[in-house]
Amino acid sequence: QKEVEQNSGPLSVPEGAIASLNCTYSDRGSQSFFWYRQYSGKSPELIMFIYSNGDKEDGRFTAQLNKASQYVSLLIRDSQPSDSATYLCASRSGGYNKLIFGAGTRLAVHP
Amino acid sequence: NAGVTQTPKFRILKIGQSMTLQCTQDMNHNYMYWYRQDPGMGLKLIYYSVGAGITDKGEVPNGYNVSRSTTEDFPLRLELAAPSQTSVYFCASSPDAGSGNTIYFGEGSWLTVV
Repeated sequence: QKEVEQNSGPLSVPEGAIASLNCTYSDRGSQSFFWYRQYSGKSPELIMFIYSNGDKEDGRFTAQLNKASQYVSLLIRDSQPSDSATYLCASRSGGYNKLIFGAGTRLAVHP
Repeated sequence: NAGVTQTPKFRILKIGQSMTLQCTQDMNHNYMYWYRQDPGMGLKLIYYSVGAGITDKGEVPNGYNVSRSTTEDFPLRLELAAPSQTSVYFCASSPDAGSGNTIYFGEGSWLTVV
């Protein structure tokens, strides 16, 4: 069974701090990984994808991938209250862009 | 700027009833998907399609059926609704496979079976 695991949280950080969200996956054959943000009652929206070992930066967001450890993370710098949401980690598995999702980590940024 | 459109947004069904969730996309994507999301859980793939006339099962297909007669439309049929099918349903689409290509979601359909 291919799985993606995330800590459900909530992860609470003060405004302006760095939020660190983590994810592990079981399928060593997975090549691409995605972070989605989901506000309550809304659909998931793509934040970033990563497929190479190392770091990938986009604005306040940095995705990190370590294939040897089967570990993906998302760092959010200068966290804002508007970042409060559930963050879903997903791996692409089995072709046709099918994604396996983790259960999500709820992030709460407090002023 | 429609993207992926789902209807209805909310529906209450009685046990044993049937219904169809409609999904259409205007991006000319070949790949389409149906996911369900239970409270506090991640999304689970129900069915997917890689083109008109081609569909396949995902992780949780039992109790559902799909068809894909056109590139644009991918309806999900619930037969004999059960309380376990109470969930949020997301339709999604994607361009053909590529390292960065991912899927884009519709706004969701909230279904309650009572």
